[in-house]
Order: sequence, then C-alpha cells, then structure tokens
Amino acid sequence: QVQLQQSGPGLVKPSQSLSLTCVISGDSVSNNSAAWNWIRQSPSRGLEWLGRTYYRSKWYNDYSTSVKSRITIDPDTSKNQFSLRLSSVTPEDTAVYYCASGPVTGIFDSWGRGTLVTVSS
Amino acid sequence: DIQMTQSPSTLSASVGDRVTITCRPSQSIGRWLAWYQQKPGKAPKLLIYMTSILESGVPSRFSGSESGTAFTLTISGLQPDDLATYYCQQYHSWTWTFGQGTMVEIK
Repeated sequence: QVQLQQSGPGLVKPSQSLSLTCVISGDSVSNNSAAWNWIRQSPSRGLEWLGRTYYRSKWYNDYSTSVKSRITIDPDTSKNQFSLRLSSVTPEDTAVYYCASGPVTGIFDSWGRGTLVTVSS
Repeated sequence: DIQMTQSPSTLSASVGDRVTITCRPSQSIGRWLAWYQQKPGKAPKLLIYMTSILESGVPSRFSGSESGTAFTLTISGLQPDDLATYYCQQYHSWTWTFGQGTMVEIK
C-alpha cells in the first residue's frame, strides 16, 4: 500500500515560486512501473493534472501544456520523494495541490491528502 | 486538450436507488477512461479504470460501461456512504483531463 505524505507552505506571494514535496512510503520513486504525479483542484479549474516524473532506465518528465513553461517536477532518490516547483505564481494558481501515484498509463491509484496553497500578498 | 463533459452536475436519489452518471469526451478516447469518487474534504479515490475494471476493494455496486460516444458510471443500490462527487478522467491523449464532477446527494 503506497502512502504519500505532502508538505510545503500554504501561502505564497504573487510572482514567487510554489514548492511542495511528497514523501513516498511503501514504494520506491525509482520503481520502473510507477509514475509520480502532481494534480491540483480549484473551484474555477476543477481537477487539473499538472505533470509527472517516472524512471525507465533514466528519468522522464511530462508536463501539462497549461503550466509547461513554469513547472518542474524532480525525484529525490536519497529521500524517496518527489517535488513540485511552480514559478511566477498568480492568484489563479490558488488551489489544493495533490501528489498522486499510479501506473505510467495515466490513472491515479494513490493520493496524498492535499495541500491548500493560497497565492496572495 | 480533450474536454470531458459530465451530466448531471448534481443528482439527488434515495438509498437503494440505481444512479447513473454520464461522461462524454470531445473526441474519441477508446476505453481509456477512469472514474473517481471524492468525499468532502478528502482526496479523490480511484473506482474504475479502463472503462469497466473495478479497482481492488471497490464495492460491486459500482460499475462502468460505454455506449457509443458516452461513458457511464452506475451505482446499483445507492448507499449513504456514496455521498460524494464523482469525476471521470481520460488518459488517452495529452493532457490528461477530468470532467467537472457530479455531486450525488442522498434524499
């Protein structure tokens, strides 16, 4: 049973970067049959998949077109975790952010509890 | 991106009722469709994937199907624990996208 524990600040100022971490237990970030995702949810945008990282002999990343110029998702094998960085945030980025895992096909069978991130000065 | 349209947005039903939620993609997605259940204040939970395959541990009253260009989630015998919002998700084409959700209320 994979468990995902999220952490990170709940308040970010406009134009700054949002950073969140997701610690994995019960699996390895280097598992070559899993993918590690970030998804957000807001009243205005609903559920929105942001991107993922996964290992298949080397590391790969896929990002949503909506945030591709601002997003970075990095694995950390030494801590068995992965992180999200979203730069140049605006109030439109205010949302509950979830980390989620699943097979590389694109479903999400384990989720973190979510972190509400508010972008405000 | 593929748009996923769910209907209805809200439904109210009694315990024991058969409930049906529909999801229509803006283009063909094969059978690459999943359903999630989200209870208030919680993360979504995977119910069904590949249109009709029940995730392990999900009660058998939940089922998924496809008819023409529409996908359906059916709850056969609604239970009080089913109070939640249900989302469809396509994973056929980048960028993976979700429907806007269907809130199920218990009468």
